[in-house]
Amino acid sequence: GQSLEQPSEVTAVEGAIVQINCTYQTSGFYGLSWYQQHDGGAPTFLSYNALDGLEETGRFSSFLSRSDSYGYLLLQELQMKDSASYFCAVRDDKIIFGKGTRLHILP
Amino acid sequence: AAGVIQSPRHLIKEKRETATLKCYPIPRHDTVYWYQQGPGQDPQFLISFYEKMQSDKGSIPDRFSAQQFSDYHSELNMSSLELGDSALYFCASSLVASGRSNEQFFGPGTRLTVL
Repeated sequence: GQSLEQPSEVTAVEGAIVQINCTYQTSGFYGLSWYQQHDGGAPTFLSYNALDGLEETGRFSSFLSRSDSYGYLLLQELQMKDSASYFCAVRDDKIIFGKGTRLHILP
Repeated sequence: AAGVIQSPRHLIKEKRETATLKCYPIPRHDTVYWYQQGPGQDPQFLISFYEKMQSDKGSIPDRFSAQQFSDYHSELNMSSLELGDSALYFCASSLVASGRSNEQFFGPGTRLTVL
């Protein structure tokens, strides 16, 4: 079967760094994406990794290891507005989202 | 910049009724995706269209159908509505031809409530 695993919740302090992991098991693989979704809002694209390594976009970075079927999203200098759900998503012949990680940020 | 437009934003229907949701992708995007998201759930992929042809099919019930028109807008038709169909329905678009098919731009969603 196809599945993506990510923690259901993570809590961090404002200004800190947090890492959200994602492991996947799919029949095919065309890259790992990350999306942010605030309550009641639409998912917003954050990053995409097709090849192994680290992609950096401002305070957010995403990492992929295809041999380990593993990736993570790294958020630095956390701000209160980063409180949201974060989804990893994999595309093989279909697009599959993980269950989402709810990030709680404490002041 | 233009974004994905969905209409209506909210829809209330009775059981066994039909509903039609509309999506207008970002201009020049060639692919449209439909997702269903229940409360506290992840988005579930329903169906996608590339250049007006169905490209992938996910967990779309047989009671639902969708199409993409010549102007690239898409409609999701839902019949014999059930209580369990109450959810947020998102449309997303991307430009596959640019090689960035994994960068999907989501619309604001249509919140469907079935009573």
